[in-house]
Amino acid sequence: DTEVTQTPKHLVMGMTNKKSLKCEQHMGHRAMYWYKQKAKKPPELMFVYSYEKLSINESVPSRFSPECPNSSLLNLHLHALQPEDSALYLCASSQEQGGSGNTIYFGEGSWLTVV
Amino acid sequence: SQQGEEDPQALSIQEGENATMNCSYKTSINNLQWYRQNSGRGLVHLILIRSNEREKHSGRLRVTLDTSKKSSSLLITASRAADTASYFCATEKNQGGKLIFGQGTELSVKP
Repeated sequence: DTEVTQTPKHLVMGMTNKKSLKCEQHMGHRAMYWYKQKAKKPPELMFVYSYEKLSINESVPSRFSPECPNSSLLNLHLHALQPEDSALYLCASSQEQGGSGNTIYFGEGSWLTVV
Repeated sequence: SQQGEEDPQALSIQEGENATMNCSYKTSINNLQWYRQNSGRGLVHLILIRSNEREKHSGRLRVTLDTSKKSSSLLITASRAADTASYFCATEKNQGGKLIFGQGTELSVKP
């Protein structure tokens, strides 16, 4: 079972709201990722967690705050977002971070609209 | 800057024909992965090819990797209407854990 589950599927939030995106995997993977994808563009990496510790932050603005409460869960807390942050947010996981055979599995994504 | 470039950007074929998509990248890699994305959906992993491999097959998919030319190709044989989607190549660099995606190829398979 190669499943990464993301909730909610759709989220509309105002610029002053605080909301969270959630991601869960039960494959025993120790690396989890957040990617952002704008329409008609490829996904771009935001954060990488390895063994529940933040490993890579791609200079993401602080209005995006990731959290990894345990090895199966990954959250993305959102606060004071801008309309240009509207995008598809994709969570992914892999057995480990890095390695020649490191298959990375993605969820269905959460569509975020900031109004 | 993006690691990968793909061509063609768009490809339209008839059902039953073969579809070939190409991907080029700039720096050394651990592996290269191909993904499919249906409109508005998440990414589905298709195949991973390691940097020391030259060719891999999975069902109707054939992937090649030429590290000397820093390029890869994805061949879908006997295409079906259900293959209509965007296809992305993504490279994982030696840093590990960071996938860098190409711009993608939009494939349209007409019944």
